[in-house]
Amino acid sequence: EIVLTQSPGTLSLSPGERATFSCRASQSLTSSQLAWYQQKTGQAPRLLIYGASSRATGIPDRFSGSGSGTDFTLTISRLEPEDFAVYYCQQYDSSPRTFGQGTKVEIK
Amino acid sequence: DVQLLESGGGLVQPGGSLRLSCAASGFTFSNYDMSWVRQTPGKGLERVSAITDSGRSTYYADSVKGRFTISRVNSKSTLYLQMNNLRAEDTAVYYCAKDSNYRYFDHWGQGTLVTVSS
Repeated sequence: EIVLTQSPGTLSLSPGERATFSCRASQSLTSSQLAWYQQKTGQAPRLLIYGASSRATGIPDRFSGSGSGTDFTLTISRLEPEDFAVYYCQQYDSSPRTFGQGTKVEIK
Repeated sequence: DVQLLESGGGLVQPGGSLRLSCAASGFTFSNYDMSWVRQTPGKGLERVSAITDSGRSTYYADSVKGRFTISRVNSKSTLYLQMNNLRAEDTAVYYCAKDSNYRYFDHWGQGTLVTVSS
């Protein structure tokens, strides 16, 4: 089973700042089969990024994903008030599909 | 718009059973694999079961194998999860999730809470 480790656990930032967080896989993901999801309190996860760097439909371009192999990054270029949430990575390279434990982005 | 609406959650005693349903709309249900993903504060997100578009193949996480059964009725655009012999550690919010053609989840339902407690 591929273990995904996200860091940091919590990120305290102000609106307008840049947010960068990491997802590290325990083994290399072929074809960058990694997705990112955003989850706001009391809501279901929402797909942001697939294929490590492709934005899902309707996702603003302030969200970007990068990386390959075992190291992946999600960047929010300028935080908007609605971006304060928990972010999860998920690999779909091999079964079982697994999720990271999440990074919480909170208002500083 | 794609909509996934779960129902059937609730409070059940250890050893009891529940059946979750997920009513889908806004897409051709029979063309897509579907999954159940649960979320707990302790273990985070876990894909517990999945079924192919035709219903011919299924997947179960080791944690639920032999106790949960996934099924679907394409004519009703509905996904099910029959949960038997429930344990306290099955307490979670259960989400119905639509698979994209590439195995990430492109749409999720709002979730239904299952609480296993005496």
